[in-house]
Amino acid sequence: QSVLTQPPSASGTPGQRVTISCSGSSSNIGSNTVNWYQQLPGTAPKLLIYSNNQRPSGVPDRFSGSKSGTSASLAISGLQSEDEADYYCAAWDDSLNGFAVFGGGTQLTVL
Amino acid sequence: QVQLVQSGAEVKKPGASVKVSCKASGYTFTGYYMHWVRQAPGQGLEWMGWINPNSGGTNYAQKFQGRVTMTRDTSISTAYMELSRLRSDDTAVYYCARDRRQFSGYDSIDYWGQGTLVTVSS
Repeated sequence: QSVLTQPPSASGTPGQRVTISCSGSSSNIGSNTVNWYQQLPGTAPKLLIYSNNQRPSGVPDRFSGSKSGTSASLAISGLQSEDEADYYCAAWDDSLNGFAVFGGGTQLTVL
Repeated sequence: QVQLVQSGAEVKKPGASVKVSCKASGYTFTGYYMHWVRQAPGQGLEWMGWINPNSGGTNYAQKFQGRVTMTRDTSISTAYMELSRLRSDDTAVYYCARDRRQFSGYDSIDYWGQGTLVTVSS
């Protein structure tokens, strides 16, 4: 049972816009920024979005992130076949000494 | 370029320990915290903790307290993660991964190792 809640699956057709939600609580998303990771099959995760809505160098601007209260979302516009992957949200939780929490992951299928 | 190269796959019996190494290159090793994250087969990501390579200070997830030890050798820019009293549900790919922000263990993770598969089986 993950601390952050994501839908297990999402899908869209090429060119479409897809959003993936991530729900947490006041001790994690409500207090800290959200990061998003993309994991292609058989590979290590890749940082997609940090600090709620910042893209690392090299990440296309088709990917965008937002946060409101204790929830966050990742939007992918102009969906492409290579976007088919697992997506994870993450945040720090202020409980105890501070620890990182991940969502359970959303498997995105490009139809 | 930043690279994190991990040691090879391991097969261990229940109750044993495993030590995974992570050799960093392409940046100042002592300037960036190193996280360890694991992923069981077909499952999601699970944060295990981090080590501050400069001071050796650590922050472990409560779930692994008492079983995990993270260390580093600054002379060879290598971080280590040792997990003891292994159980079958510790079977997973273990990743080392660098914090994005210098001198912080609480930002995001920007570089990941290739992963080390640890299989626990009798």
